[in-house]
Parts: sequence; structure tokens; C-alpha cells
Amino acid sequence: QIQLVQSGAEVKKPGASVKVSCKASGYTFVSFGISWVRQAPGQGLEWMAWINPHNGNRKYAQMFKDRLSMTTDKSTTTASMELRSLRSDDTAVYFCARTVGYCTSSSNCYIHYLDYWGQGTLVTVSS
Amino acid sequence: DIVMTQSPDSLAVSLGERATINCKSSQSVLSRSNSQNSVAWYQQKPGQPPRLIIYWASTRQSGVPDRFSGSGSGTDFTLTISSLQAEDVAVYYCQQYYNSLPLTFGGGTKVEIK
Repeated sequence: QIQLVQSGAEVKKPGASVKVSCKASGYTFVSFGISWVRQAPGQGLEWMAWINPHNGNRKYAQMFKDRLSMTTDKSTTTASMELRSLRSDDTAVYFCARTVGYCTSSSNCYIHYLDYWGQGTLVTVSS
Repeated sequence: DIVMTQSPDSLAVSLGERATINCKSSQSVLSRSNSQNSVAWYQQKPGQPPRLIIYWASTRQSGVPDRFSGSGSGTDFTLTISSLQAEDVAVYYCQQYYNSLPLTFGGGTKVEIK
């Protein structure tokens, strides 16, 4: 069965960085993108970014463009994201999600809906 | 960015009754490439990740009970639960994936039992 298993909870100080991993299984890893979505406590869902494991193409929400890095490892079918310069309002549950879409070229990709999600990773930013 | 506005924020429905959730987009999300509306719906229960239930506005995801249905076109969309069951208590989110990024979600609608 399709599974996305994320790394465990993290506690970080303001200004630090955090890395969250997402191990995918049960499907062909390079055939689907991976999105990262976060949810602050008691709040809604916020899409952060997307990466295509096949060619490394990345798309970002503007507010994360300068602080977020994403990688994928085809050999371990793992996606990772690193968020830098953490602030208290980055405290949230971070989800990875398999993302349905398609690419017409290596750089022109259409991102659609998120059909399988990881369990979430709580990142707490506190001094 | 395309803004998705859901209503109501919460609703309480008796078991077996119909629940209706609305979602309005700030611009049309009708895809010119395939004439389908680029809207998905998710269900999120406490302490769990979201679960995809509807995509392309009206296509039910595999394994989702047929009491869930999606409708609408252009800028106005509806998620209907035809006969509410206890396990349907959750927060429901709409999401658009029209051509322009970012993907955006509605603010969520909490469904409870009356």
C-alpha cells in the first residue's frame, strides 16, 4: 500500500533550521511529485512547495522561496525539506503529500491535488 | 493568489441528515485544457493528516463512500454528505489547483453531530 512516513517531532530555537524527511513506498517514486504543506496549531492548511523527484523541478509559495530547500533521493525514495531562519510562527505540523500532476517539459509542470499524505511532523520553535 | 472562501465555518447536522459545505473561488478555476474544474476536497479528523475525498470538483477518490459528492463549476462549489454518519465528523477543506501557483486551501468547515 502507498505510504509516506515522516521523521519525528522537532524542537528548535528561533533562528535555527529544521529538516524533515518523508520516506515514500508502495508506488513508483519518480512518477509523482511531493508537496509540503503545513498547519499551524488550530489553523488551516498552507501549501509551501513542490518537488518533482524525476527531474528535481521545484515550485515554491512566494513566502517560503528564500528559506526553504527541498531534495529527493531516488535510491531511498525519500524526500526532505529544510526550513531555515525559524521563527515562532513557524511552529506547525508539517506534512508531505504525494501530488498528482503532469509535466509537458522538464520545467513546465502542472500541480494538481494531493492524494496521499504523511502522518505529519510537529515542529516547535521556542526559545 | 486565488482565494478560496468556505462557508459555513461550522455546522451541526443530525445523523442521517444532509450536510452541505460551500466553497467559492476568487476567480474561475475551470481549466481550459480539459474543461474540468480544478477543485479538490479533503477530510481531516483530529490528529490525522488530511484525506483526499473529491478531485476535479466531482470525482470521488477510490474508497470514499458514495454519500460524499462534489458539484459546482466556475467559482462556486459544494461538498455534500447525503446522510451524515458518526465517522464523518471532521474538518473539510477545499483546494484549488488552477494553472497558477500557489495551491490554496479554503479555511475549513467543521462538521459535527447535532
